[in-house]
Amino acid sequence: GEDVEQSLFLSVREGDSSVINCTYTDSSSTYLYWYKQEPGAGLQLLTYIFSNMDMKQDQRLTVLLNKKDKHLSLRIADTQTGDSAIYFCAESANSGGGADGLTFGKGTHLIIQP
Amino acid sequence: DTEVTQTPKHLVMGMTNKKSLKCEQHMGHRAMYWYKQKAKKPPELMFVYSYEKLSINESVPSRFSPECPNSSLLNLHLHALQPEDSALYLCASSQVLAGGPGETQYFGPGTRLLVL
Repeated sequence: GEDVEQSLFLSVREGDSSVINCTYTDSSSTYLYWYKQEPGAGLQLLTYIFSNMDMKQDQRLTVLLNKKDKHLSLRIADTQTGDSAIYFCAESANSGGGADGLTFGKGTHLIIQP
Repeated sequence: DTEVTQTPKHLVMGMTNKKSLKCEQHMGHRAMYWYKQKAKKPPELMFVYSYEKLSINESVPSRFSPECPNSSLLNLHLHALQPEDSALYLCASSQVLAGGPGETQYFGPGTRLLVL
């Protein structure tokens, strides 16, 4: 089965870069996702990466994928107070038939210091 | 438009009540999902509907009964719930493709349920 691991907390200074790490176990995953959840809210899709890519950049967000080590990271440049949230890494169960559920990591709580 | 709407936002119910949660999307997605999220935990998959048919049931107790009346709507009927069922219930939708980016799931804001 799938298992996704993340560290629970990350504290950074405002203006610095944040790097949130994730490891996963399902080598058949074709897409990996990052979601953001603010307090009391639903999940906001931030970005995704295809498993044959090793990097994807989207404005302040950079995703790095090391498929050999099954390691995924999300870098947020110039971290702002509005980035304070829980960040979930997720992989699709990928049964091959489409419409699979997502398996989420436990989430990393990003704390911004002024 | 990548919006998934859910009603109600908050719900308080007793253990003998019957209530329903509603979810709607107008993105033309043919897959819809229910997840349950307990406090300080990640979402956990409950049900998946694909082309209005139940395709995945993650061994959810029968006091939760999903329904997909059409391609835009998804309901979750609740009956005889327990206090431990209190959680945030999240709906999501996606296209139905085999391993493609179209499977990206878009989530609603959730219904926060409290069972007394």
